[in-house]
Amino acid sequence: GNSVTQMEGPVTLSEEAFLTINCTYTATGYPSLFWYVQYPGEGLQLLLKATKADDKGSNKGFEATYRKETTSFHLEKGSVQVSDSAVYFCALLNDYKLSFGAGTTVTVRA
Amino acid sequence: DSGVTQTPKHLITATGQRVTLRCSPRSGDLSVYWYQQSLDQGLQFLIQYYNGEERAKGNILERFSAQQFPDLHSELNLSSLELGDSALYFCASSVFPGTLTGSTEAFFGQGTRLTVV
Repeated sequence: GNSVTQMEGPVTLSEEAFLTINCTYTATGYPSLFWYVQYPGEGLQLLLKATKADDKGSNKGFEATYRKETTSFHLEKGSVQVSDSAVYFCALLNDYKLSFGAGTTVTVRA
Repeated sequence: DSGVTQTPKHLITATGQRVTLRCSPRSGDLSVYWYQQSLDQGLQFLIQYYNGEERAKGNILERFSAQQFPDLHSELNLSSLELGDSALYFCASSVFPGTLTGSTEAFFGQGTRLTVV
């Protein structure tokens, strides 16, 4: 079946620090991969996506590259801001199912 | 605003009761997903419908059921409620069902917070 494993949090950073959240997946076929973000008290919002191997998704300074050889889709941002404090979910879409990782809570301190 | 509407936003009910959560997908979206988010189990996929038909089932309890109506809105019915059913229930919609040929992202509603007392 499909599964997503992402780095456990919580992660606490200072402003302008580099952020990496690891995500690996298990799936048959050719899944699409996503990162969603959930701000406090809100629903999930799509942050970025990649639909095939070697695709790079990017948005708001965040990037993730679909690596089929390592079955990974790590999220990175070079310089985080306080406003990036949220819960980040890695997700996989395959065989009609959208499966999520456990989520990583990121707190950025000024 | 994602375009996905969930009602009610908050629901408090007693154990043993039955509730119905409603979801209106984005205009044009045929696929609806339901998720349960709790503190100890994260985001759990419950069930997915595409154009009125059930397409995928996840960790949905037998006490729970869902359906998608001809106007594409969906309802999640939770019965014989237990304290452990307290959670945030999210609905998401997308254009395609999520096959190899149509892999589009899902858009989430704000969720319904269910508290069972």
